[in-house]
Amino acid sequence: AQKVTQAQTEISVVEKEDVTLDCVYETRDTTYYLFWYKQPPSGELVFLIRRNSFDEQNEISGRYSWNFQKSTSSFNFTITASQVVDSAVYFCALPSGSARQLTFGSGTQLTVLP
Amino acid sequence: DAGITQSPRYKITETGRQVTLMCHQTWSHSYMFWYRQDLGHGLRLIYYSAAADITDKGEVPDGYVVSRSKTENFPLTLESATRSQTSVYFCASSEGQGALYEQYFGPGTRLTVT
Repeated sequence: AQKVTQAQTEISVVEKEDVTLDCVYETRDTTYYLFWYKQPPSGELVFLIRRNSFDEQNEISGRYSWNFQKSTSSFNFTITASQVVDSAVYFCALPSGSARQLTFGSGTQLTVLP
Repeated sequence: DAGITQSPRYKITETGRQVTLMCHQTWSHSYMFWYRQDLGHGLRLIYYSAAADITDKGEVPDGYVVSRSKTENFPLTLESATRSQTSVYFCASSEGQGALYEQYFGPGTRLTVT
């Protein structure tokens, strides 16, 4: 069965620090997708990235970057020069059930202090 | 406005009552989903729909009923609400196949069953 583990329940950093959120997954699929979502204090979930298992290149989008390592089954998310607005719960997710369901990790609460 | 909306945003009901949570999307996405979010359990899929008149169970479907007579609407009904159904409910939609594509979430409905 698919499983997503986000071992860091809460992380607190000071503004401008870099921070990495860990995501470790388990899957028996040979090809798969991985996702990151953000849930700010307002409550809605916001899609951040979808990654295909074929592509192991790092992805960078502004201050956000993602490191996908198939060898360690990890898909880590780094925020560079964090800002207060980055404070949110971040979820890693993996499709399961013949790609009909999205299995979410338990989330990491990131707090960026001014 | 385009997007995905949920109503009501907040609801308090009594045990045993029937409650319907509404979800409407303007993108004509084929897939729609209902999740519940609880502390300690993260996001769990209740039901999903691949198209109008096609629905299927997710991880936690007991006590819930869905229908999808029109592509844009996906109501979730609690037939006889229980306290364990107190939760935040999120509706989501996706243009692609199931969980392989990014899902766009509504703002959520906070339901309290007393």
